[in-house]
Amino acid sequence: QVQLVESGGGVVQPGRSLRLSCAASEFTFSSYAMHWVRQAPGKGLQWVAVISYDGSNEYYADSVKGRFTISRDNSKNTLYLQMNSLRAEDTAVYYCARDSTAMVRGVFGPWGQGTLVTVSS
Amino acid sequence: EMVLTQSPATLSLSPGERATLSCRASQSVSSYLAWYQQKPGQAPRLLIYDTSIRATGIPARFSGSGSGTDFTLTISSLEPEDFAVYYCQQRSHWPPFTFGPGTKVDFK
Repeated sequence: QVQLVESGGGVVQPGRSLRLSCAASEFTFSSYAMHWVRQAPGKGLQWVAVISYDGSNEYYADSVKGRFTISRDNSKNTLYLQMNSLRAEDTAVYYCARDSTAMVRGVFGPWGQGTLVTVSS
Repeated sequence: EMVLTQSPATLSLSPGERATLSCRASQSVSSYLAWYQQKPGQAPRLLIYDTSIRATGIPARFSGSGSGTDFTLTISSLEPEDFAVYYCQQRSHWPPFTFGPGTKVDFK
């Protein structure tokens, strides 16, 4: 059964940085594009970023472009999200989700359980 | 940016009843529309993609229809475990991939 386990969330001050990780197992990680999607408390879903199977292509939501960087290490079956210059509005549960193909297609499933990031002074 | 709207915001029904959820796109998304279910404290789960294709393991009581700008998710007979929030999502015009605001199906 596919497993995606996020980690790295926590409380961070505005302007600081945080790196999230998503450990993948029970599937061939290097064969799929991967996404980050976030959900602010009590709110809906917002797509954050995607990376292709080999890391050659990355795309971002405008709200995080220039501040967040998505990356992957296929040798470690791990997806990352480096978040810099964090703002209060970045407070959310961050989910990693597998796409359905190697290149970006935009079908999100399965998802990890999420990790909470709280940006507060 | 492609905007998705969902109606109604809340749908109050009883087990065994039929649920009809709507999603409207600000411009045509062809058939590239998916539906997700989210229960409290859980991650979303893919139900249907490309308008009408059920994801692996999704029961046949869930069905999707539509094209262009208007889409529908139908749950033919609600089971107790179906009370949740449902989101639609488009993959026609990206980035960004966008989601609707959600429809909550709760107990009448």
